[in-house]
Amino acid sequence: ELKVEQNPLFLSMQEGKNYTIYCNYSTTSDRLYWYRQDPGKSLESLFVLLSNGAVKQEGRLMASLDTKARLSTLHITAAVHDLSATYFCAVVRGKLTFGTGTRLTIIP
Amino acid sequence: DTGVSQDPRHKITKRGQNVTFRCDPISEHNRLYWYRQTLGQGPEFLTYFQNEAQLEKSRLLSDRFSAERPKGSFSTLEIQRTEQGDSAMYLCASSSTVQETQYFGPGTRLLVL
Repeated sequence: ELKVEQNPLFLSMQEGKNYTIYCNYSTTSDRLYWYRQDPGKSLESLFVLLSNGAVKQEGRLMASLDTKARLSTLHITAAVHDLSATYFCAVVRGKLTFGTGTRLTIIP
Repeated sequence: DTGVSQDPRHKITKRGQNVTFRCDPISEHNRLYWYRQTLGQGPEFLTYFQNEAQLEKSRLLSDRFSAERPKGSFSTLEIQRTEQGDSAMYLCASSSTVQETQYFGPGTRLLVL
């Protein structure tokens, strides 16, 4: 059974700081996604990572994938309040299996 | 708006009642997925369709749950004899076979009293 684990589960950080969210998964996969979810809202697709060494960047967020280590990271650079949300990674093996999520709070 | 839509957005029902939710996918997408999300958790896969064929069902989908996509366009998810444990957000997503990213609808929040 595919397991997807994220850490940390909760993260409070000050504006302007950098931090990284980690996503580990237990078996090989075709691709990995990162989604954002605001409270009470649905999920917004951020990145899809297709191959080993893939790196995608959008604004202050950068995602990478190491398929050999079965690890993806979401790096936040110079955080701003608007990035406060819950971030999920999700791994495809037929269907999407989501991680537990990381609730990120950016403190002014 | 050409995104995924779901109806209703909120549903409150009494235990034992039946409920039905509707999902309209992005028009050119042939794959449609249902997920359930409880508070503080990630979405859990329930079932998915390619066109009108239901190709996979999760073990989470008890016999009280049924999903249809009769013409390969919109889909319905019905829960019979609802239980308090069914309270959750029910999310629908769609994708194409060419570009497989799943796009999610706003969800239907169900509360079973």
